[in-house]
Amino acid sequence: AQSVTQLDSHVSVSEGTPVLLRCNYSSSYSPSLFWYVQHPNKGLQLLLKYTSAATLVKGINGFEAEFKKSETSFHLTKPSAHMSDAAEYFCVVSGLSGNTPLVFGKGTRLSVIA
Amino acid sequence: DVKVTQSSRYLVKRTGEKVFLECVQDMDHENMFWYRQDPGLGLRLIYFSYDVKMKEKGDIPEGYSVSREKKERFSLILESASTNQTSMYLCASSPTDRGTEAFFGQGTRLTVV
Repeated sequence: AQSVTQLDSHVSVSEGTPVLLRCNYSSSYSPSLFWYVQHPNKGLQLLLKYTSAATLVKGINGFEAEFKKSETSFHLTKPSAHMSDAAEYFCVVSGLSGNTPLVFGKGTRLSVIA
Repeated sequence: DVKVTQSSRYLVKRTGEKVFLECVQDMDHENMFWYRQDPGLGLRLIYFSYDVKMKEKGDIPEGYSVSREKKERFSLILESASTNQTSMYLCASSPTDRGTEAFFGQGTRLTVV
């Protein structure tokens, strides 16, 4: 069965410093992986996705993630945090087929300090 | 743009009431999902549907049922609301292509008093 572990429940960074949100996955097949962001009182928005093409994936708002099969990781990074990045971030792995649900991590809350 | 619309942003219901949460998507997606979101627990799948009149239990189906009479609409029903069902409820839809992302509604914050 597939699963996702987000290694930090809360990350706090200063504005202008790098962001690293860590995610490890477990899957019995070649997965698709996603990062979603949720701002307060909003729905979830897709940041980026990996679907077995390039291992370094670029997303919106300057975020990117690297798929590392050997480490079963899909960490999310951004070179320089902005106040507007403060939100909840979810790492997600695809289901076995197109008719099975995505599997979500428990989320990482990112705080950005001025 | 894909649009997933949930009928209410905020709801307050009394214990024991029957509650209906409605979700409509406009992109002809086959799959639809209901999740509940609680602090520290992430998103937990309640039910999903991959076709009209089809439904599958997710991880936490107890106390809930669903209805999908039309492709675009997926309803979540709380048969007898209880205070432990106070939560944020998120609806999502996706096509059947493997590896495709799901699209989410804005969520319904339900409070059961």
